[in-house]
Amino acid sequence: EDQVTQSPEALRLQEGESSSLNCSYTVSGLRGLFWYRQDPGKGPEFLFTLYSAGEEKEKERLKATLTKKESFLHITAPKPEDSATYLCAVQARNGYALNFGKGTSLLVTP
Amino acid sequence: NAGVTQTPKFRVLKTGQSMTLLCAQDMNHEYMYWYRQDPGMGLRLIHYSVGEGTTAKGEVPDGYNVSRLKKQNFLLGLESAAPSQTSVYFCASSYSTTGTSGSGVQFFGPGTRLTVL
Repeated sequence: EDQVTQSPEALRLQEGESSSLNCSYTVSGLRGLFWYRQDPGKGPEFLFTLYSAGEEKEKERLKATLTKKESFLHITAPKPEDSATYLCAVQARNGYALNFGKGTSLLVTP
Repeated sequence: NAGVTQTPKFRVLKTGQSMTLLCAQDMNHEYMYWYRQDPGMGLRLIHYSVGEGTTAKGEVPDGYNVSRLKKQNFLLGLESAAPSQTSVYFCASSYSTTGTSGSGVQFFGPGTRLTVL
């Protein structure tokens, strides 16, 4: 059975304090690993897709990396507007659904 | 482009009542999905559709029905609402499910917050 575990559940950073969020997964044949951002009361917003181990993608202060067992979302010099819940999801080769983790709630204080 | 839209945004039902949630997308996507999100749990797939006129069950389909009569619309129905169906419902759509070009990315709507008393 596909499983996605995100850690930590919650993270509080000061503005400018870099850190990483972890997404550990088990899946029967990875089609893709997805990172989304979700603000309170809104739908998930797509950030990145990673398809194979060793792949990396960047967008502004965010960088996502992928190994065969986990993915990291690195946040460099975060700002208060980066505060949100970050969701990780995997899609198996033989499936349609995204299998989501429970998310990491990030709070960046000035 | 509006992307994925959902109506209504909020709804309160009494146990046993019925309702339909509407999802619309203007991106010409083939695939559409209904998820529910509950506190302490990840998003879970209820039903999905791989094209106009098709539907299939996801992880948690019991108590729900769906229809995809038009490519751009995906309806989620609750025939007899139960308190366990109190949740936030999200619709999503994607162009496909394969490829490394990003065509499998699922885009989400803003959600419908449903409370069943």
